[in-house]
Amino acid sequence: DTGVSQDPRHKITKRGQNVTFRCDPISEHNRLYWYRQTLGQGPEFLTYFQNEAQLEKSRLLSDRFSAERPKGSFSTLEIQRTEQGDSAMYLCASTRLAGGITQETQYFGPGTRLLVL
Amino acid sequence: AQSVTQPDIHITVSEGASLELRCNYSYGATPYLFWYVQSPGQGLQLLLKYFSGDTLVQGIKGFEAEFKRSQSSFNLRKPSVHWSDAAEYFCAVGVRGQKVTFGTGTKLQVIP
Repeated sequence: DTGVSQDPRHKITKRGQNVTFRCDPISEHNRLYWYRQTLGQGPEFLTYFQNEAQLEKSRLLSDRFSAERPKGSFSTLEIQRTEQGDSAMYLCASTRLAGGITQETQYFGPGTRLLVL
Repeated sequence: AQSVTQPDIHITVSEGASLELRCNYSYGATPYLFWYVQSPGQGLQLLLKYFSGDTLVQGIKGFEAEFKRSQSSFNLRKPSVHWSDAAEYFCAVGVRGQKVTFGTGTKLQVIP
């Protein structure tokens, strides 16, 4: 069990540029979640996948944001035309749904810290 | 929709003293409750969780939490704080199989 990994750990970009983050969940976990955390706040839910299907999206996820999990393993989160307000820590978490029972505990990666200049 | 309130933004305790971090939740059914800890610039580490059963749950690093349905609370406790416990602590409530809603966190400072 190598844990949830995220890449890159830090990203600095200029306003208007596109950025993409990657999350690799724990290998047997079929549910994957994305959260955003701004300074002084707790993480806020963005979206989640079960296998390759995106099951829920928060209203925080504007049309500039897109997330994919094409093969039900790793996931990417892309932000197009970045704005300064997108500066935050982007956290990925995973858990396992087995036999209709979710393990419920979400295990978090180290996060990707984005700074938009 | 579920929500979590952590009324204390900052708490300072002396090393060796006891600690209690408060958490109140709002959810219509029996919630899944969690406490996570986050060190600066790091991800979240699970300290403990409550799903059902015994309302006093034990976690890692000597932490425990008690679920009190009548008070809608899930306070985190530790009998003797160590300097390495300085971090930010998040209480969270989960809906089965879906997203987790976090509180705004409590920053713990430990003084020698």
